[in-house]
Amino acid sequence: AQSVAQPEDQVNVAEGNPLTVKCTYSVSGNPYLFWYVQYPNRGLQFLLKYITGDNLVKGSYGFEAEFNKSQTSFHLKKPSALVSDSALYFCAVRASNAGNMLTFGGGTRLMVKP
Amino acid sequence: GAVVSQHPSRVICKSGTSVKIECRSLDFQATTMFWYRQFPKQSLMLMATSNEGSKATYEQGVEKDKFLINHASLTLSTLTVTSAHPEDSSFYICSASPDKYEQYFGPGTRLTVT
Repeated sequence: AQSVAQPEDQVNVAEGNPLTVKCTYSVSGNPYLFWYVQYPNRGLQFLLKYITGDNLVKGSYGFEAEFNKSQTSFHLKKPSALVSDSALYFCAVRASNAGNMLTFGGGTRLMVKP
Repeated sequence: GAVVSQHPSRVICKSGTSVKIECRSLDFQATTMFWYRQFPKQSLMLMATSNEGSKATYEQGVEKDKFLINHASLTLSTLTVTSAHPEDSSFYICSASPDKYEQYFGPGTRLTVT
């Protein structure tokens, strides 16, 4: 079985400050990890993924995430938040040998205030 | 590239009627398509996985006779909610997968059953 935990329902940050959205996972074997963003009444937009290689993954809109195998984490980060980054963020995982069915975390709402 | 469309984006129907939602991969062939349901302020719940030309695989607790899924071609999957009831009101999101790594998400369909 595979699972994802996003421990924070909401993260508040001031514009211009760095942001972190936390994600931890549990999976048998090697993980494939993903971050998606969802704006109101819209589908999910892909931000970045970790499949293999460098632990630090850079994605869309200035976001990046660091794969930490020992801590089974894949936290999403951005050096300087924008008000337009306010949205719902989902972390997802699948095992490398388990087909392409994703398991999603519960989501974290990011609020960036001016 | 990798665009997935859904139609309609929003639909209101009366209780007891059936509603069909289409999911299309516009610029790639999708061997697998996924249907998700999202309740307000909650994560995505996988309903079923469909492979072109074969029967869909439903997740536990999802009624296959109520949520009919057809994956007739490599670019089209449909979800039909039969005999809809108000509790079926939700945001339905599809995704399409061209390979074993990626899922590309549609913009979602808001279903309201009155």
